[in-house]
Amino acid sequence: DQQVKQNSPSLSVQEGRISILNCDYTNSMFDYFLWYKKYPAEGPTFLISISSIKDKNEDGRFTVFLNKSAKHLSLHIVPSQPGDSAVYFCAASTANAGGTSYGKLTFGQGTILTVHP
Amino acid sequence: EAGVAQSPRYKIIEKRQSVAFWCNPISGHATLYWYQQILGQGPKLLIQFQNNGVVDDSQLPKDRFSAERLKGVDSTLKIQPAKLEDSAVYLCASSRTSGGSYEQYFGPGTRLTVT
Repeated sequence: DQQVKQNSPSLSVQEGRISILNCDYTNSMFDYFLWYKKYPAEGPTFLISISSIKDKNEDGRFTVFLNKSAKHLSLHIVPSQPGDSAVYFCAASTANAGGTSYGKLTFGQGTILTVHP
Repeated sequence: EAGVAQSPRYKIIEKRQSVAFWCNPISGHATLYWYQQILGQGPKLLIQFQNNGVVDDSQLPKDRFSAERLKGVDSTLKIQPAKLEDSAVYLCASSRTSGGSYEQYFGPGTRLTVT
């Protein structure tokens, strides 16, 4: 049961243009969402996150949008740079601070982003 | 601040052999996670520790996998005996627990190949 899905295995974008990476989820209990970036032979690194009480969060060139009714989130990178080429993972969590699943992340399959000079 | 350390970085073993991975989290991080990432998939949580206690091990194949976190700092993950389908990257991550922060910091991973 794939609770977090990234349906595009890869995305190719020209330098300077916008990159849009998409993510869908099925579990309505998820209320915190994160994007991680991963370079080859390295562990994932945190990029940006959003709580379910918001619909947008921005950090420099990176913006995450959340549509709770559609159970969909997206990551926008503007402008895209060759150094952004990496695998991007969407992850979701349930805020269960008093329970047993605090902080547990469920990841999507990842999208390979290639930014061409 | 030093990151999450893992060793070894690569390991090749034959099926039915045993293997162990080591993780040292970021200093002061109470929560430690072990993930398994199979090629082409996202990381999947195997076990989560809060200090030296297990919070979630629901997806750990307990007939062959074991993990411990002595003294609430370093952790080891063991596979015995290994199967071909255990070939994957094993990622360790750590996080602070208080304040509702979910940001997890990952180590570089150990790439295991079972032949």
